[in-house]
Amino acid sequence: SYELTQPPSVSVSPGQTASITCSGDKLGNKYACWYQQKPGQSPVLVIYRDSKRPSGIPERFSGSNSGNTATLTISGTQAMDEADYYCQAWDSSTVVFGGGTKLTVL
Amino acid sequence: QITLKESGPTLVKPTQTLTLTCTFSGFSLSTSGVGVGWIRQPPGKALEWLALIYWNDDKRYSPSLKSRLTITKDTSKNQVVLTMTNMDPVDTATYSCAHSPVADTLSHFDYWGQGTLVTVSS
Repeated sequence: SYELTQPPSVSVSPGQTASITCSGDKLGNKYACWYQQKPGQSPVLVIYRDSKRPSGIPERFSGSNSGNTATLTISGTQAMDEADYYCQAWDSSTVVFGGGTKLTVL
Repeated sequence: QITLKESGPTLVKPTQTLTLTCTFSGFSLSTSGVGVGWIRQPPGKALEWLALIYWNDDKRYSPSLKSRLTITKDTSKNQVVLTMTNMDPVDTATYSCAHSPVADTLSHFDYWGQGTLVTVSS
């Protein structure tokens, strides 16, 4: 079965750029999306179709996808961005989630 | 405004069948491309996709759980039902339903329910 691999944790200083990766075989040939989940809350879609931002998502969130890696980039990271982030793609008629990355802003 | 809400038992016994209902508003499951999916999350663990049903009654299941899952829709009631058989304590998780605005390779979930915690214990 298809797997998406994320680093368990990423740390970033406030105001700096955070990059969270998601790796999968030929992931660049698929569409990737990203969800943000804060403690006790439901996931929120922050990027879809590799790089599109839903309405209401700040411009500091951006995405890219090429080769075997999709990347979520948060520019000018704020304390409110501290959360778990999950990538998701579609493979062989099924939905696949990555294992999640805990973003710490310190 | 799209909303989804899950309902069902909070406690089930091992070997029992779990039946969860997702009641939604703000969209129709008869609209081309639209789908509703179920995702679960064990406490402290990652999201796990379970199943997805589309406007045309096309159904997709997680390969690892396919034998235990059934997803159906009632378009007139704006509901999607998920059943999972032979429940086990490892199935303890928050179960959520979510709206998918497009089908297949573009699938993503743009609106989520609040989720319902299901505990499996004797």
